[in-house]
Amino acid sequence: EAGVAQSPRYKIIEKRQSVAFWCNPISGHATLYWYQQILGQGPKLLIQFQNNGVVDDSQLPKDRFSAERLKGVDSTLKIQPAKLEDSAVYLCASSLRLHSSTDTQYFGPGTRLTVL
Amino acid sequence: AQKITQTQPGMFVQEKEAVTLDCTYDTSDQSYGLFWYKQPSSGEMIFLIYQGSYDEQNATEGRYSLNFQKARKSANLVISASQLGDSAMYFCAMRDMNTGNQFYFGTGTSLTVIP
Repeated sequence: EAGVAQSPRYKIIEKRQSVAFWCNPISGHATLYWYQQILGQGPKLLIQFQNNGVVDDSQLPKDRFSAERLKGVDSTLKIQPAKLEDSAVYLCASSLRLHSSTDTQYFGPGTRLTVL
Repeated sequence: AQKITQTQPGMFVQEKEAVTLDCTYDTSDQSYGLFWYKQPSSGEMIFLIYQGSYDEQNATEGRYSLNFQKARKSANLVISASQLGDSAMYFCAMRDMNTGNQFYFGTGTSLTVIP
């Protein structure tokens, strides 16, 4: 079974530029998550989808970050314009279903973003 | 308040020895899940082990076991027979029904296995 796919793996941009990350979850997984992980910290949830609907985006900085999962499968996270403090690893994860405390999240390899 | 607390920023263990990584959690829910992930320097979060709040036995997965003490709200990870490849960051996470099944992660413990 293929895991969660993410691209690109690395991205270097200058501040005020735009950047987009792509994620393809494990086949059949209804729930998709985007996390931001700043160096030395645990992952912080940015947005959570159930199929193509947003379940939780309370921690997404909506003035510059946006995400979509139009067909309920793959997803794109965009930052426009980027700031220095956006330098982090962006992790995508998926799980089979939403309403279960037992459901395990599986993570992709992440995209390491450096903003200069 | 912190949902997940990992009090050991860094740990060292001799190769082939066992090591315990501490994790305490905070929830008022009766139904929740506890997870441990390993994050090597490559960055990917690798799922290791899961413990459900209603599970009566401690979870085990190969060399990994979870020492679950519900009354103390602790879910420590035990790695037996440490290997050099175990050197990584380890994150404890919790998911409970109160938070819409959102995952909460601790700050992680960096484990270094010494040859």
